[in-house]
Amino acid sequence: EDKVVQSPLSLVVHEGDTVTLNCSYEVTNFRSLLWYKQEKKAPTFLFMLTSSGIEKKSGRLSSILDKKELFSILNITATQTGDSAVYLCAVRNSGGSNYKLTFGKGTLLTVNP
Amino acid sequence: DAGVIQSPRHEVTEMGQEVTLRCKPISGHDYLFWYRQTMMRGLELLIYFNNNVPIDDSGMPEDRFSAKMPNASFSTLKIQPSEPRDSAVYFCASSLGDSTRNFGPGTRLTVT
Repeated sequence: EDKVVQSPLSLVVHEGDTVTLNCSYEVTNFRSLLWYKQEKKAPTFLFMLTSSGIEKKSGRLSSILDKKELFSILNITATQTGDSAVYLCAVRNSGGSNYKLTFGKGTLLTVNP
Repeated sequence: DAGVIQSPRHEVTEMGQEVTLRCKPISGHDYLFWYRQTMMRGLELLIYFNNNVPIDDSGMPEDRFSAKMPNASFSTLKIQPSEPRDSAVYFCASSLGDSTRNFGPGTRLTVT
């Protein structure tokens, strides 16, 4: 059974701090890893990673994947209060027509002013 | 693009009642997913459809849960009879092939 573990479960920082969120996984026939941001409603897509060592970047957010060590990190620099959310990591395997995503339980990030 | 539409947004019902959640996927998307989110278990896939056909319902917790997709623009998730442990946020998501999921706003279900 595919498994995704995120750490820490929660994190409180001050505006301007840099944070690193972790995601480790076990999946048969890995295909991709995705990061989502969830505020008070539906998860919204951030990044999809398929290759090791290639950083994906969007503004102050960046993410990288290590397929050898089976983990990914999500970095947020110069955090703002609007970054407060639950960050979800999910993995997808490549088994045939299997389009299932297995999600971690998320990291709750709180950015205080 | 209206995004994925779900209704109702909030539902409060008594144990034993039937509950029907509705979803309209993004037009043109060929995959539709139903997820349930709780604090204890996180986000779990219940069932997904491809071109209106159920592909994998292994996540459906028990026979009280059923899902249908009569056409490409509509799906329902039904719980009959409902129980307090079914209280959760239910998300519908759609995608075009192997692309990222677009999630709906969710239905917050409370069963008393």
